[in-house]
Amino acid sequence: EDKVVQSPLSLVVHEGDTVTLNCSYEVTNFRSLLWYKQEKKAPTFLFMLTSSGIEKKSGRLSSILDKKELSSILNITATQTGDSAIYLCAVGAPGSNYKLTFGKGTLLTVNP
Amino acid sequence: GAGVSQSPSNKVTEKGKDVELRCDPISGHTALYWYRQSLGQGLEFLIYFQGNSAPDKSGLPSDRFSAERTGGSVSTLTIQRTQQEDSAVYLCASSWGGTVLYGYTFGSGTRLTVV
Repeated sequence: EDKVVQSPLSLVVHEGDTVTLNCSYEVTNFRSLLWYKQEKKAPTFLFMLTSSGIEKKSGRLSSILDKKELSSILNITATQTGDSAIYLCAVGAPGSNYKLTFGKGTLLTVNP
Repeated sequence: GAGVSQSPSNKVTEKGKDVELRCDPISGHTALYWYRQSLGQGLEFLIYFQGNSAPDKSGLPSDRFSAERTGGSVSTLTIQRTQQEDSAVYLCASSWGGTVLYGYTFGSGTRLTVV
């Protein structure tokens, strides 16, 4: 069975700290890995990583895919209270080019 | 529209009642997805529509769940004879093409509470 495991499940930091969120996966025929930020209810897209694009960066956020270790990390530097959210990792399900398998997410709380 | 619109945003219903959840995708997006997020769980795929193709219903948890998409646009997810375990946030998403490589845009979801 396909699995996506995120760690830690929750994390509390202070503004200005740097955080690293982890995602490991066990899927056959890996295609892509996506990161989403979920505030309240709607997940918003952050990054997509594929075999041809294993590192992405946008402002204070960056993500790396390690295909050998079957994992990805999401880094957030100089955290702000607005970064508080659930961060979701998802991989494309095998045998499907449209279905995503999600992890349970990491709840990040950034305190002032 | 500018984004994926879902209604209602919250729904409280009594056990045994039927409910309908609505999703209005981004104009021009051909693919539409429904996911469910139960407390403490990851998002769970329910159903996928792409153009005029037959939908992929493989994620629907029971025959009490059904969905349709009319005119290639608005979709309705119907849950009959609701049970307490149906309580969750139901998220709709759409994409330009029927592949994750185009990314999904999610709506704000409907929080369903069955009492």
